[in-house]
Amino acid sequence: AQSVAQPEDQVNVAEGNPLTVKCTYSVSGNPYLFWYVQYPNRGLQFLLKYITGDNLVKGSYGFEAEFNKSQTSFHLKKPSALVSDSALYFCAVRDIEDSNYQLIWGAGTKLIIKP
Amino acid sequence: DSGVTQTPKHLITATGQRVTLRCSPRSGDLSVYWYQQSLDQGLQFLIQYYNGEERAKGNILERFSAQQFPDLHSELNLSSLELGDSALYFCASSSGSNTEAFFGQGTRLTVV
Repeated sequence: AQSVAQPEDQVNVAEGNPLTVKCTYSVSGNPYLFWYVQYPNRGLQFLLKYITGDNLVKGSYGFEAEFNKSQTSFHLKKPSALVSDSALYFCAVRDIEDSNYQLIWGAGTKLIIKP
Repeated sequence: DSGVTQTPKHLITATGQRVTLRCSPRSGDLSVYWYQQSLDQGLQFLIQYYNGEERAKGNILERFSAQQFPDLHSELNLSSLELGDSALYFCASSSGSNTEAFFGQGTRLTVV
């Protein structure tokens, strides 16, 4: 069965420190992987995606993510956190073989950046 | 602006009532997804349509139904509403397998 795990409900980071939000996935075929951010009372905003090619993907607001096929992971990273990065982050996966284009979502990780 | 439009933004209604939420996808997007998000909860996938046809169903209650029309807009109908149905309802659209989904701003439904 397809699934996405975000093992941490909450991640706390001091401003200026590097941050990592973890995501692991399980699909039967090859994955398309996505990260989204949600600010309070707002819709989800797309951050970045991995489709193919370079395992390190760069996205919006200085975020990047590394696709690791052997570990089936797609962790979100940023070298230096900002207070404004505080939000809810969702990882999602789509199986390349899935003709229905269904997205499987993680439960979300609340990122809190402390000044 | 994601290009996905949801109306209304807010809705307050009484228990037992029926409401309709509307979603206009981004121009050219054939897939529409509906999600429910309760307070401090993750996304609960409800249902997906592709070019007018239902493609996938999640944890959608029998009291809820949806459809996608020929012009690709979609409606989510919620009936016999209960207090527990109070939530944010999101619509998203995408154009293909390797493309990201774009989300609307959501409809906040409050059942009183």
